[in-house]
Amino acid sequence: SQTIHQWPATLVQPVGSPLSLECTVEGTSNPNLYWYRQAAGRGLQLLFYSVGIGQISSEVPQNLSASRPQDRQFILSSKKLLLSDSGFFLCAWGELPYNEQFFGPGTRLTVL
Amino acid sequence: AQSVAQPEDQVNVAEGNPLTVKCTYSVSGNPYLFWYVQYPNRGLQFLLKYITGDNLVKGSYGFEAEFNKSQTSFHLKKPSALVSDSALYFCAVREGNYGQNFVFGPGTRLSVLP
Repeated sequence: SQTIHQWPATLVQPVGSPLSLECTVEGTSNPNLYWYRQAAGRGLQLLFYSVGIGQISSEVPQNLSASRPQDRQFILSSKKLLLSDSGFFLCAWGELPYNEQFFGPGTRLTVL
Repeated sequence: AQSVAQPEDQVNVAEGNPLTVKCTYSVSGNPYLFWYVQYPNRGLQFLLKYITGDNLVKGSYGFEAEFNKSQTSFHLKKPSALVSDSALYFCAVREGNYGQNFVFGPGTRLSVLP
């Protein structure tokens, strides 16, 4: 069966520090991968998605970037965090066209 | 462009009563529709989906949803609510066959009162 992992679960970082959040998927090949941010426990904002290694599409211009160095690994990064980067970050994977997305447990980031 | 509306920010229902969480959508092609539930500080869990076929879809934990093409709605229902159903519910849509991405509604917080 497929599983999706995210780490760390929680992170507190000072303004101006770098960021690296990791997401890995097991039990599937060539999945579509997604990064979302959820603010204040409500709606999801799609940040990035990837249909293959090295292929990244950005949905919202911002201080974050994403990379997919391996088929089942998706990384969310920033060179210098801003206060506004705080939030709950969710990674998800899916297989088109009919299937739902499966979400990881999330990472709560607090920028101080 | 795809969009999803969940007109109710909060729904309160007494335990044992039926519940409905509303969702309406807009897509230019055929819609693929999904419901997810989120418990505090957790990821989203898939409940059910409509791709094609029978308009009434049954999913996990006794939930079901009815696809209504003329009203562009996909309301989530359960005949008898449990206190443990209290959570945040998200409706999502993807345009069939061509859309890479899902669009999520803003979420509806369901509170089931004992």
